Amino acid sequence: DGGITQSPKYLFRKEGQNVTLSCEQNLNHDAMYWYRQDPGQGLRLIYYSQIVNDFQKGDIAEGYSVSREKKESFPLTVTSAQKNPTAFYLCASREQGAHYNEQFFGPGTRLTVL
Amino acid sequence: SQKIEQNSEALNIQEGKTATLTCNYTNYSPAYLQWYRQDPGRGPVFLLLIRENEKEKRKERLKVTFDTTLKQSLFHITASQPADSATYLCALESGGSYIPTFGRGTSLIVHP
Repeated sequence: DGGITQSPKYLFRKEGQNVTLSCEQNLNHDAMYWYRQDPGQGLRLIYYSQIVNDFQKGDIAEGYSVSREKKESFPLTVTSAQKNPTAFYLCASREQGAHYNEQFFGPGTRLTVL
Repeated sequence: SQKIEQNSEALNIQEGKTATLTCNYTNYSPAYLQWYRQDPGRGPVFLLLIRENEKEKRKERLKVTFDTTLKQSLFHITASQPADSATYLCALESGGSYIPTFGRGTSLIVHP
């Protein structure tokens, strides 16, 4: 089955720790995205990548970092610099240059800071 | 600044009725508008896309309209069912961008 997976589903972090959220897709999509969703809020863009070895900051990139070494993988690191990281994190992928195509979302990772 | 507004209050309707959800926007010239469904604790799932030169799009019990003069999209679910209960997100995208902007979503609750 083609799809996009995220792990872990739940993640707990102590203050001051960095944590990495995994996102993998086998849809052969060039573009990948990371969003953050807070209760009652829309999706806010953290980072996006349109091609391997290239990525751009979204609206709320501070305190986060990403890498795109492989087409199928786009991990997100939540650093200790992110002051309020507790949220639901969603990864998505999409065919590059395809406005008429939808984004495919993973199941999400819920991060809680203890 | 660009703004997308979806009704923050939940929409409660009776099974079998038509649900109508609204997405309004300001300071935006979207070329594409998409609707997604999101269930609690899950990622959004794509439903429909409509382009700026299209007035209406249908898919089974779903219908989307797009009025660029009113800066509004309406999303209709006919013959609604309790299984349609979810949060529905609209997302807008400009022609020169590959980054959609999402609204906060509206919760739909269909009562049996």
